[in-house]
Amino acid sequence: SQKIEQNSEALNIQEGKTATLTCNYTNYSPAYLQWYRQDPGRGPVFLLLIRENEKEKRKERLKVTFDTTLKQSLFHITASQPADSATYLCALESNFGNEKLTFGTGTRLTIIP
Amino acid sequence: DTAVSQTPKYLVTQMGNDKSIKCEQNLGHDTMYWYKQDSKKFLKIMFSYNNKELIINETVPNRFSPKSPDKAHLNLHINSLELGDSAVYFCASSQSGTGNTIYFGEGSWLTVV
Repeated sequence: SQKIEQNSEALNIQEGKTATLTCNYTNYSPAYLQWYRQDPGRGPVFLLLIRENEKEKRKERLKVTFDTTLKQSLFHITASQPADSATYLCALESNFGNEKLTFGTGTRLTIIP
Repeated sequence: DTAVSQTPKYLVTQMGNDKSIKCEQNLGHDTMYWYKQDSKKFLKIMFSYNNKELIINETVPNRFSPKSPDKAHLNLHINSLELGDSAVYFCASSQSGTGNTIYFGEGSWLTVV
C-alpha cells in the first residue's frame, strides 16, 4: 500500500543549528513533492515544491532535496530560530493524473533557544 | 483579506445532530477541497471539487455531503454526527493542474459530545 512517512514525530534542535527533516515514501511515483508548515491552531502553509527531475531547491534558509531512487526528501532549515518551531508536513502529488496531494504524518520541530 | 475562509471556527454539538461547515475562497481558484485532521494530526483528503464537479471522494461515509454552489464555495454537511467525527476540518483551494500548491483555511474544530 502507498505510504508517506516522516522520520520522527518530534525533533528538538538547538538554536543556530541546522534542522533536517526526512520524508520517505513507498509505492508512489510522485511528479512533485511539497513541504508545508503548520502552526498550532492554524492551517498548513506552503513552503517549497520540488519536481521529480530536480535534485535540490532553496528558498532563503530552507533547502529541499529529492531523491527518487531512495524515495526520500530531506528538508533543511539552516541557522534555525525559535520562530521556526512548528509542524512540517511533506506532501506528494501522484503522477497518475488525479492531482491528489497526499500528506505525510508530520514532524513537530522545536528550536531550543 | 482572508484567502480561504471557513465558518464556524469552533463547533460543539451532540451525537446525532446535523451540522454544516461553510467555506469560501477569493483566490479565483477552480478547485476546492475538504481535508480532515484527526487527533494524531494526520491530514487526510475527503473531497475535491473542480468547477463545482466532484472529482475526488475518498471513501467517506455518506453522512458527509459536500455541496459546491459555485467554484468559490464548498460547504460540508454532516448528518447524524458520531463521536469519531470529532476532528479539525480544513477547507482548501488550488488552481487545477499539476504542481499547484494548496491554500488552506484556518480550520473548523468540531467536537461531538
